[in-house]
Amino acid sequence: GQNIDQPTEMTATEGAIVQINCTYQTSGFNGLFWYQQHAGEAPTFLSYNVLDGLEEKGRFSSFLSRSKGYSYLLLKELQMKDSASYLCAALDSNYQLIWGAGTKLIIKP
Amino acid sequence: GAVVSQHPSWVICKSGTSVKIECRSLDFQATTMFWYRQFPKQSLMLMATSNEGSKATYEQGVEKDKFLINHASLTLSTLTVTSAHPEDSSFYICSARWPGGYNEQFFGPGTRLTVL
Repeated sequence: GQNIDQPTEMTATEGAIVQINCTYQTSGFNGLFWYQQHAGEAPTFLSYNVLDGLEEKGRFSSFLSRSKGYSYLLLKELQMKDSASYLCAALDSNYQLIWGAGTKLIIKP
Repeated sequence: GAVVSQHPSWVICKSGTSVKIECRSLDFQATTMFWYRQFPKQSLMLMATSNEGSKATYEQGVEKDKFLINHASLTLSTLTVTSAHPEDSSFYICSARWPGGYNEQFFGPGTRLTVL
C-alpha cells in the first residue's frame, strides 16, 4: 500500500532551527511536496522536490532522497508565525497526491 | 498568480437540506480540481477528483450520490452536499492542479459546513 509517515507533533524555540522528517512508500514517484497549514485555514504550497538534494527557499529548505524514500523540511530562524501543521505529500505514478497526516509544529518564545 | 477561491467560506444549514460549494481558479485554467474534507485535528482526506467535461472520480467510501460534483468549465467546479446530516459537518477544501510545472495543487480557502 501507499503510506506517508511524519511525526505528529514537534516543539521548537523561536529563533532556532527545526527539521521535520517524512518517509514515503508509493506506487511510483513523481515528486514530493511540502505544504503549510495554519489552524482553520487551507494548505499553502511550500516546496516541491523531484530530484535528490536540497532545495533552499529563504528560511525554508527541503531535501529529498529518492533511494531512501525520505524527505525533510528544514525551517531556520523560527518565528512565532511558523506555528502550523506541515503536510508532506508524495505524487504517485498516477499523479495523485498521497498525503501524510501532518506534523504540528509548536514554536515557543 | 495561482489563486483559487471558494464560496461560501462558511455555511450553517438544517439537516436534510442541500448545500452547494463553488471552487474557482481565478487566474489560470484548471483541467483538474480536487475536493477534500478535513475533520478537526485530522489530515486532508481526498473525496474526489474533478475533471472538466467528464464525471468525477470518487475515492473509496465516498458516496457519489450524496456528494455531487460538477466541473462544467476550466475555472469552476462545484460540490453539492445533498440531504446533509450533522455528520457531514466538516471543513471542505478544494484545490486546482496547476497546468504544467510540477502538478502542484493550489488550495482554496476552504468552506466550513455546519449541519444542525
